[in-house]
Amino acid sequence: KQEVTQIPAALSVPEGENLVLNCSFTDSAIYNLQWFRQDPGKGLTSLLLIQSSQREQTSGRLNASLDKSSGRSTLYIAASQPGDSATYLCAVSPSNDYKLSFGAGTTVTVRA
Amino acid sequence: SQTIHQWPATLVQPVGSPLSLECTVEGTSNPNLYWYRQAAGRGLQLLFYSVGIGQISSEVPQNLSASRPQDRQFILSSKKLLLSDSGFYLCAWSPSGYEAFFGQGTRLTVV
Repeated sequence: KQEVTQIPAALSVPEGENLVLNCSFTDSAIYNLQWFRQDPGKGLTSLLLIQSSQREQTSGRLNASLDKSSGRSTLYIAASQPGDSATYLCAVSPSNDYKLSFGAGTTVTVRA
Repeated sequence: SQTIHQWPATLVQPVGSPLSLECTVEGTSNPNLYWYRQAAGRGLQLLFYSVGIGQISSEVPQNLSASRPQDRQFILSSKKLLLSDSGFYLCAWSPSGYEAFFGQGTRLTVV
């Protein structure tokens, strides 16, 4: 069974600092890895999708890397802003049926 | 563009009452559809998965059931709610199993 772990569980940084969020998974036979953002009481917003054949994806201030062999992904958020405060979730899919296994998330607070 | 609608946003139900949560997707055809539950302080857990009308796969044993009466409609139901059914329920869809998109969720409180 796939286990997904996200460290740290919570993170508080001053505005402007770069954020580094970690995700690890136990079974390296993944199809895709997806990073999501969740605001309190809301649904999930997709941030980045990394296919198993890719090493990284970038969107604006966000960059996600994938090391499938070691079972790790890292989400980097450059020059953090108070609006980046949210919970960030990592999820992996074992195949194209896209049944996702989620980590518990990292809750980020960016202080103005 | 594709959109996903989920309702209601919040629901408070007594123990033993029935449940019906609805999710519809617009702008696509034959999507994969999913129901997830997020319990307080825990990660999301996949409850049901559907690849087509009438085709439902249950991922965990529970007090809930799901149905897909139309291509873009996915319903989560229960005949008698338990306290342990409380949580945040999220519907999601995937175009041919490539990327997942989520609805805004339903906060269910069973009292």
